[in-house]
Amino acid sequence: GAGVSQTPSNKVTEKGKYVELRCDPISGHTALYWYRQSLGQGPEFLIYFQGTGAADDSGLPNDRFFAVRPEGSVSTLKIQRTERGDSAMYLCASSFSGTTDGTQYFGPGTRLTVL
Amino acid sequence: DQQVKQNSPSLSVQEGRISILNCDYTNSMFDYFLWYKKYPAEGPTFLISISSIKDKNEDGRFTVFLNKSAKHLSLHIVPSQPGDSAVYFCAARPNFGNEKLTFGTGTRLTIIP
Repeated sequence: GAGVSQTPSNKVTEKGKYVELRCDPISGHTALYWYRQSLGQGPEFLIYFQGTGAADDSGLPNDRFFAVRPEGSVSTLKIQRTERGDSAMYLCASSFSGTTDGTQYFGPGTRLTVL
Repeated sequence: DQQVKQNSPSLSVQEGRISILNCDYTNSMFDYFLWYKKYPAEGPTFLISISSIKDKNEDGRFTVFLNKSAKHLSLHIVPSQPGDSAVYFCAARPNFGNEKLTFGTGTRLTIIP
């Protein structure tokens, strides 16, 4: 079966522009997560969806970042007025919820570069 | 405040020998732990996990040990193979229902043929 997919794989944009990053979770997974990984660091949590609703958005760094999952499947991470410090690998993961292990399966990521 | 720590940024091991990767955590609410492996330009791949009710979990060449009192876990790979060369991340999660993972900074493992 297909794993988590993310598009685009690479995105280069200019400071101040708006970007959208897309995530397609594994079919049947109700939980979806966004993480951000900077060079030399581990992934850092941004937001977690249970179905269509954001169950935990405590990791979003500021109000320039927003994410949606309108139909409980595909999710889009939106970044307004991008800054150079937003440059990072953005990772999406999905999992079954309601299970004791809740193992999260990651996509290949979108590398965002803000010039 | 780094709640999950991997103090060795890199490790080199001879092919066929045992690789031991270590991870320490500070948050006593963590009760589920996972190891992920990451190749360049790919997302992390799940390897093995352990619940706090166990002290050992084994899957083929991979074994994870958990010492709750010391807040320490380790991943053992034996025998090590060249394809094991990658960055390994330790991750932790609190009680069921709070599902966000907290990751360490990773250890780059190099297997020397």
